[in-house]
This record gives sequence, C-alpha cells and structure tokens, in this order.
Amino acid sequence: DGGITQSPKYLFRKEGQNVTLSCEQNLNHDAMYWYRQDPGQGLRLIYYSQIVNDFQKGDIAEGYSVSREKKESFPLTVTSAQKNPTAFYLCASSMDTRNQPQHFGDGTRLSIL
Amino acid sequence: RKEVEQDPGPFNVPEGATVAFNCTYSNSASQSFFWYRQDCRKEPKLLMSVYSSGNEDGRFTAQLNRASQYISLLIRDSKLSDSATYLCVVNRGAAGNKLTFGGGTRVLVKP
Repeated sequence: DGGITQSPKYLFRKEGQNVTLSCEQNLNHDAMYWYRQDPGQGLRLIYYSQIVNDFQKGDIAEGYSVSREKKESFPLTVTSAQKNPTAFYLCASSMDTRNQPQHFGDGTRLSIL
Repeated sequence: RKEVEQDPGPFNVPEGATVAFNCTYSNSASQSFFWYRQDCRKEPKLLMSVYSSGNEDGRFTAQLNRASQYISLLIRDSKLSDSATYLCVVNRGAAGNKLTFGGGTRVLVKP
C-alpha cells in the first residue's frame, strides 16, 4: 500500500538527549514536511524539503534538525536544545507543485521522562 | 490577527441535522484551500480541496469567498461518525507548497 510511515509511535526523551523520528514515504512525492502539534492547537511547520539534499527551516526550526539523503526518507532529530519537545509530531508529503494537498503519516508522540 | 482563524466550537449537532462553519484567512495571495478532518489523537486526513466555484462531495459542501477571504464547510444529514475536528488549511501563496493550518473547529454529533 502507498503511504507515509512514521516510527516510533511513542517516544520518550531523557534530559540532554537527542532523539530521531523516522518518516518514510512510498508515494514518490518530491516534497516532505515536519509539523508539531500541541494540545488544542494547530499544526506548526518545523522543516520542509522540496527535493533530495535540500531542506528549509519552517516557522519553529530551533532545536530541530533534518536530513534528506533519499527521496523516500526525511528523518527529524529533536536535539537537547529543544527545551519543550513534548508534542505530537506529524510528517507529511506532497507533490512538489503548488496547490497540492499534503498527506500525513500517523504521527509520533514524544514525551519527556 | 492569525493567518487562519476558526471558531474552535464545539458545535453540538443532533444526528441528521445540518451544520456549517467558516474559516477566515488573511493572506490575499493564497491560491489553494483545503478542509482536513482530524480525529482525537490521530493524524489529519484530507476531506476535500476547495475550488473557486465551490464543490460538493456527498454530504459535504465547501465554498470559497475570495472577496471576503473566507471558506466554509457545510455538513448535511450529520452522522455520529462526523464527530471530529475540522481543520481549515490555506497555502501561503509563495513559492513551494507551504500550508498554514487553522486551530480547528470541533464538531460533536449526538444521537
């Protein structure tokens, strides 16, 4: 089945630790995105990538890093510099032309131990 | 002013009734508009794209008013399974495909 797979579903981070969230898609989409959602709030864009080996900061990139070495994969690292990492993290992809809807993976819930 | 504003609700709707709600956006350069549905603790799922002429998909009708910069969603013959949060999503009008998400309107359909 075509889709977007995020793992793990739940993740716990210790103080001072970096953690990496996985996102893989087999939709052959060029563009991929990472969002953060806090309870009762809308999605906020962390990073996005329109093509392999290129990515841009979104609205709240501080404390996060990404890579895009393969078209199918766009992992997000939550670094120890992100002081409030507890949130629901959503990965999305779309065709890279404008006016295209984005399709989401089922998310990773990150909590602080 | 937020870029995309929605009434958070909840809209309490009797089963079988019609419910409608709007979303306003501030960026006049926005070119594409979408409604997503999000169930509790789940990912958003695309409900429908919104076209200038308005469009309908079964019991759901979306309208776009560019002059007043709002989009609307109407749900007819509400089902219990329509209970969810509906996210208004607007593209930013710049290069690329960045979207801005509203905070969502919660709909509760009751028997």
